[in-house]
Amino acid sequence: NAGVTQTPKFQVLKTGQSMTLQCAQDMNHEYMSWYRQDPGMGLRLIHYSVGAGITDQGEVPNGYNVSRSTTEDFPLRLLSAAPSQTSVYFCASSRGQGQANEKLFFGSGTQLSVL
Amino acid sequence: EDQVTQSPEALRLQEGESSSLNCSYTVSGLRGLFWYRQDPGKGPEFLFTLYSAGEEKEKERLKATLTKKESFLHITAPKPEDSATYLCAVRGTDSWGKLQFGAGTQVVVTP
Repeated sequence: NAGVTQTPKFQVLKTGQSMTLQCAQDMNHEYMSWYRQDPGMGLRLIHYSVGAGITDQGEVPNGYNVSRSTTEDFPLRLLSAAPSQTSVYFCASSRGQGQANEKLFFGSGTQLSVL
Repeated sequence: EDQVTQSPEALRLQEGESSSLNCSYTVSGLRGLFWYRQDPGKGPEFLFTLYSAGEEKEKERLKATLTKKESFLHITAPKPEDSATYLCAVRGTDSWGKLQFGAGTQVVVTP
């Protein structure tokens, strides 16, 4: 199994550009989420989804959009990139609710720089 | 609002020198407390989940414990390969979709 796959690994944008970070999982997980990781601040939740067609906001949703049209894919869209969005982005998934199902599997991350 | 505070921010150990990491949390009803390990340039990797005060879990040189206000990750006789950032996270009963992470403790084990 590939697990959680994120693309691209690195990206440089100019302020105002838009782009989509891709995330795919092959474990048939219901729950998927996006985090950003900044030095000294830990992982902060951007958006999450508890199943296809269902998404909700996390702690820092502004400037980002998500959709979940399939179980496998959960893309993150930056509408108009800003330097404050320079960060490392992680996608994570889990089977769903219930004690045996809630551990997260993370992708390897996308390092994004906005100039 | 769920909050997680980890201490210390960084820890430097000699090989074989046991120590503990602390994770203090505030949550409206604990659904689960999670420990992850993160190596440089990689995504976090799951270690443990703890659900109720008094619970303990072990994996090789790592042992996690839980009280009503904090969790400890004990590293016994660490080896250089235990060097990593250790992350603590909590999930509340009112917010199961939202996992709140602490900032992490960076552990360096020298030979």
